[in-house]
Amino acid sequence: DVKVTQSSRYLVKRTGEKVFLECVQDMDHENMFWYRQDPGLGLRLIYFSYDVKMKEKGDIPEGYSVSREKKERFSLILESASTNQTSMYLCASSSPGFDQPQHFGDGTRLSIL
Amino acid sequence: SQQGEEDPQALSIQEGENATMNCSYKTSINNLQWYRQNSGRGLVHLILIRSNEREKHSGRLRVTLDTSKKSSSLLITASRAADTASYFCATEHFGNEKLTFGTGTRLTIIP
Repeated sequence: DVKVTQSSRYLVKRTGEKVFLECVQDMDHENMFWYRQDPGLGLRLIYFSYDVKMKEKGDIPEGYSVSREKKERFSLILESASTNQTSMYLCASSSPGFDQPQHFGDGTRLSIL
Repeated sequence: SQQGEEDPQALSIQEGENATMNCSYKTSINNLQWYRQNSGRGLVHLILIRSNEREKHSGRLRVTLDTSKKSSSLLITASRAADTASYFCATEHFGNEKLTFGTGTRLTIIP
């Protein structure tokens, strides 16, 4: 089975801090994705990557950056955390091409105080 | 935004009954997928239906797709307590491999 592991289930940080969320997948997937999930808004795509060192902006990239130095690892970075970034963050991976399901980690619930 | 809408937002039914939830989207799709999310967990892929398909089955799940109405429905038959979860539709659009998720239906099965 595909396993997508997010480094923390819960995280509490302060405004202005630089925050790193880590995601690792074990299925050699080319595609990796970062979403945030907020009540009533569903999942919104922040950034995605089709290959190592490659990244593309999703629908809500402002205030975030990403890093993909190795195929299995995709990091989400909050450059200067703000309270409106308090949310559930979900990482996913998939094989390349169309008609591919995405495989999700269990999420990181991030609180910015 | 291409984000889909799901209906109803919440649904409570008795165990053993069938549950139906609907998804509408705005622009042409390559495929539509349904995912389940248990409380506090990530999403799990349930079923994928391509734009040239009209109906698909997987166990107790039945998915229909009407591209003329830009809508899909997910039917769960003979519901069980373990089916309690949020259900999301997601659409893949021509030209890219991203998914656009709906806002979800929260399903509660009453034992």
